[in-house]
Amino acid sequence: ETGVTQSPTHLIKTRGQQVTLRCSSQSGHNTVSWYQQALGQGPQFIFQYYREEENGRGNFPPRFSGLQFPNYSSELNVNALELDDSALYLCASSLGPATNEKLFFGSGTQLSVL
Amino acid sequence: GDSVTQMEGPVTLSEEAFLTINCTYTATGYPSLFWYVQYPGEGLQLLLKATKADDKGSNKGFEATYRKETTSFHLEKGSVQVSDSAVYFCALSCYRGEYAGGTSYGKLTFGQGTILTVHP
Repeated sequence: ETGVTQSPTHLIKTRGQQVTLRCSSQSGHNTVSWYQQALGQGPQFIFQYYREEENGRGNFPPRFSGLQFPNYSSELNVNALELDDSALYLCASSLGPATNEKLFFGSGTQLSVL
Repeated sequence: GDSVTQMEGPVTLSEEAFLTINCTYTATGYPSLFWYVQYPGEGLQLLLKATKADDKGSNKGFEATYRKETTSFHLEKGSVQVSDSAVYFCALSCYRGEYAGGTSYGKLTFGQGTILTVHP
């Protein structure tokens, strides 16, 4: 096990609603990255948080936002949910933000939007 | 932009068979290359990595060599086991320069994944 925990494990929402997903990083890790994995696809980078600030963002609209707390845990918020937001959301923590840092992934939150 | 292409799956093998999963990439700059594995109900785990041309990453009997001339990073294992059944992802990471806070950041670009099933 990696020590990265995500909650909830499963979630069902309806179109237009808002959702918050949570991630506790591995002890000692100050960087959290979020990925979206659609069914049958590889994960896609949403954004990264380092020392409580956004430190990189992929090609996702502003309705995807995040937070990182002083204990380095993190939240992913999605507003105005769309059907295409249905996916597995993965959180990964690392010792730092750089390219070659090893990522430790959680088991993910499966979000279904109806 | 960066991209990773993996061989189409799924791949079904008998125990002790030889495994190859092809991976090619396109990147601006000089990427680090990775193979991740995802077992059912679990998150992704780093299997192996290579950070420069001709490097060979290896772990648990799996190997992959960073081939800059062919932009490839094929995964191989000489004798697969039932416990190797999982989804395998090839990925790359490039330096992205500095973000607003002045710190560098890395992101992984993944291929679409290859489902491997090994039968006894």
